[in-house]
Amino acid sequence: KAGVTQTPRYLIKTRGQQVTLSCSPISGHRSVSWYQQTPGQGLQFLFEYFSETQRNKGNFPGRFSGRQFSNSRSEMNVSTLELGDSALYLCASSLQGAQGEKLFFGSGTQLSVL
Amino acid sequence: QKEVEQDPGPLSVPEGAIVSLNCTYSNSAFQYFMWYRQYSRKGPELLMYTYSSGNKEDGRFTAQVDKSSKYISLFIRDSQPSDSATYLCAMSLTTGNQFYFGTGTSLTVIP
Repeated sequence: KAGVTQTPRYLIKTRGQQVTLSCSPISGHRSVSWYQQTPGQGLQFLFEYFSETQRNKGNFPGRFSGRQFSNSRSEMNVSTLELGDSALYLCASSLQGAQGEKLFFGSGTQLSVL
Repeated sequence: QKEVEQDPGPLSVPEGAIVSLNCTYSNSAFQYFMWYRQYSRKGPELLMYTYSSGNKEDGRFTAQVDKSSKYISLFIRDSQPSDSATYLCAMSLTTGNQFYFGTGTSLTVIP
């Protein structure tokens, strides 16, 4: 069974640009969550999608947005990039996103903002 | 104060040693506790999963949860060089599926 797939693996952008990251969950998983990982802050929750609806959102500015498609694939968009957005962006999937359900992560997209 | 605190290390041990990794947390409502292992340039991989208090053992790994002290531990017996990675603790509430992570402890096992 294929794991969580994230594309691209690496991205280099400049300040002010926007970026779109993609995530394909494990087959049969309908919940997709996004996390930002930085050395100082660790993993921080961005948002979670289930059945094409955002169910939960972390404490990030509106420049961070996402969506989910009918096949459960998800995209995350960051507009007006700032230097501080440089991070590893991780996507995780679970079956239903129920309480305490195990999360399975992809390898992430490493975003560098210059 | 962060919800979850974890000593970043780095921790360096000889092969065969017993490793103890720990996290403390502030929210007594956390009920689900997990440990993830993350190799360089990879995503976190789920190692151990525990609900509420108690111990769980899986091969060389033992996870302990002490809810009265708001303290969780991961023990690695007979550590191997392949265990060299960053270990992340994570926990979630009884509602929703948002996980709160520690910043990770970097472990190196020296052959």
